[in-house]
Amino acid sequence: NAGVTQTPKFQVLKTGQSMTLQCAQDMNHEYMSWYRQDPGMGLRLIHYSVGAGITDQGEVPNGYNVSRSTTEDFPLRLLSAAPSQTSVYFCASSRLAGVRNEQFFGPGTRLTVL
Amino acid sequence: TQLLEQSPQFLSIQEGENLTVYCNSSSVFSSLQWYRQEPGEGPVLLVTVVTGGEVKKLKRLTFQFGDARKDSSLHITAAQPGDTGLYLCAGAPGGGTSYGKLTFGQGTILTVHP
Repeated sequence: NAGVTQTPKFQVLKTGQSMTLQCAQDMNHEYMSWYRQDPGMGLRLIHYSVGAGITDQGEVPNGYNVSRSTTEDFPLRLLSAAPSQTSVYFCASSRLAGVRNEQFFGPGTRLTVL
Repeated sequence: TQLLEQSPQFLSIQEGENLTVYCNSSSVFSSLQWYRQEPGEGPVLLVTVVTGGEVKKLKRLTFQFGDARKDSSLHITAAQPGDTGLYLCAGAPGGGTSYGKLTFGQGTILTVHP
């Protein structure tokens, strides 16, 4: 049981490049989400999904796309990277369990956009 | 948009001291969670509080949920260097099932010196 896995661990992009951050979970969780973490700002929700084929925007969705073709995988796509997207990205998963919503986080991807 | 104000942002103390971290909002949350994050890793859940006035203890850590479910506190007794890390509070929206759309506070960086 690996939990939530993310790849790559580190990535450097040039402005305008595109890439996909991978996220997978093996806990059969319905809910998956992407956050970005910036100094002094906690974690901010980018996109989330409540099940395969269903996605929705979070607090800061601009410049990012997601899809959920399977329960296990939830990739995050940067369409045209900008320096403002330099951040640490975390994927998380949880059950749709009413008020508890205890989330399990991956180890993160540190992205630098030059 | 629900906001969580976490304070203090930084805390540097000596081993053996006590400390309290606060998490405040004008919004009602159905649950409030506390996470701890080590450098280079994702946040890990410490506790979830659900009922107004609820107090939970985890060894030297005491968590309290405000009566009105708008605020929470984390108290550490006799802090140890192993407690060093980033502490994050996160609230789930009130009013029924929330699908995991947590709102995070800005975080408290705790450093405990030997």
